[in-house]
Formats: sequence, C-alpha cells, structure tokens
Amino acid sequence: GQQLNQSPQSMFIQEGEDVSMNCTSSSIFNTWLWYKQEPGEGPVLLIALYKAGELTSNGRLTAQFGITRKDSFLNISASIPSDVGIYFCAVIQGAQKLVFGQGTRLTINP
Amino acid sequence: GAVVSQHPSWVICKSGTSVKIECRSLDFQATTMFWYRQFPKQSLMLMATSNEGSKATYEQGVEKDKFLINHASLTLSTLTVTSAHPEDSSFYICSAVTGNTEAFFGQGTRLTVV
Repeated sequence: GQQLNQSPQSMFIQEGEDVSMNCTSSSIFNTWLWYKQEPGEGPVLLIALYKAGELTSNGRLTAQFGITRKDSFLNISASIPSDVGIYFCAVIQGAQKLVFGQGTRLTINP
Repeated sequence: GAVVSQHPSWVICKSGTSVKIECRSLDFQATTMFWYRQFPKQSLMLMATSNEGSKATYEQGVEKDKFLINHASLTLSTLTVTSAHPEDSSFYICSAVTGNTEAFFGQGTRLTVV
C-alpha cells in the first residue's frame, strides 16, 4: 500500500527553538493532514490542508501542502514543553481511509 | 470538535480469552468507523473499515475471524479480539467520520495479553 516518508523520526530540541518536519509520497493526494499524539491517547487533528500550495496556520503551527501534491511540511515556532509528543502526517486514501507517516517524536529540553 | 469515546482505556486478559472494545461517537452519527492498531514506537496501521449495517472491510493481512467487528448503529462499533495471544498486545484506536473528510479519534485501548 501507499507509504508516506516522514522525517525526521525524532527530534531533541531546546525550549524556544523552532521545529520543522516533513512528509513525502510517491503519489499525489488531495488532502494532507497533520496530527499530534500524546502518550496513551489517540491522535488529535492539528491542521488540514486541502489545496496544493496552501499554507495554513494554527497558533504557533504552520503547515503547507506542497505544490506537487506529493509532500507537506509542518513547522512549530517557539516550542514549549507541551509541544512534546509524536506528530504524524496523514493522507486520505480511498473512502476516507487515513494512511499515516511513521511519525516524528519531539522531545523538548527545558 | 466531535467526541469519540473508546472503552475500556486499558485491559489485561489471559491468553485464549476474548476481549471486546467499544467505540462510540457521542455527539454525531458516524457513517463509517475505522479500527487501527499501533505497536510501540510505530505508526497507526489500519485494520478494518466498519460501516453501519454491513460487514466490515478488512485490510490485507488482518484476520477477520480473529478481529470481529460489529457496527450495529450509527454511534457504536465494537472490535472483539478473539482467542487473544500475547502478540495481539497493542494499542487499538478507533476513528469515526461524519461524511466530510475529518476523522475523530478515540482515546485508544491498550490491550495486554498475559
């Protein structure tokens, strides 16, 4: 099945630093989604992107839908301790089925 | 956003027994529910798609006789892990969609088979 390549797999940063992660695929998709998962919880939607080239912000989070429709990135500015978690990109395949990237585990040193 | 409730949050069962996990959409009717499995430090992998009133559609490699899915109403889907074994220990997560593109996830169920 379709695979998304998400990088980096993990990040160790200092509080206050900016974070950037991205996902690429070999196929074109019409929707890119970014989720955050905290330990022992289900993923929570952060940003949804529906149009190639779209740049969307949600507070300190900014995500872009690549112009080729094969990639997307997520930036977090001025990280804070509560940003810790695993971030997943996802695309919709077929009848609303989500395919997830491998995840980026974010650790923040105070 | 909409609320999806999953129960139980965690369960420990003996090898060979069956475990039922419930997924409820609390404030909306879900036309479709999905069941995912997540092993430690790995991503979510789709197991099956559940539509109300019809048989579930299973992903390749997922045994339908082992993972029984029932979607009896527009607000409830259940996953039963039959004859559970230690290798079935995992984090099981459901999601529900309302007909638009956004899926809402339950809080997950951690299954430990001893």
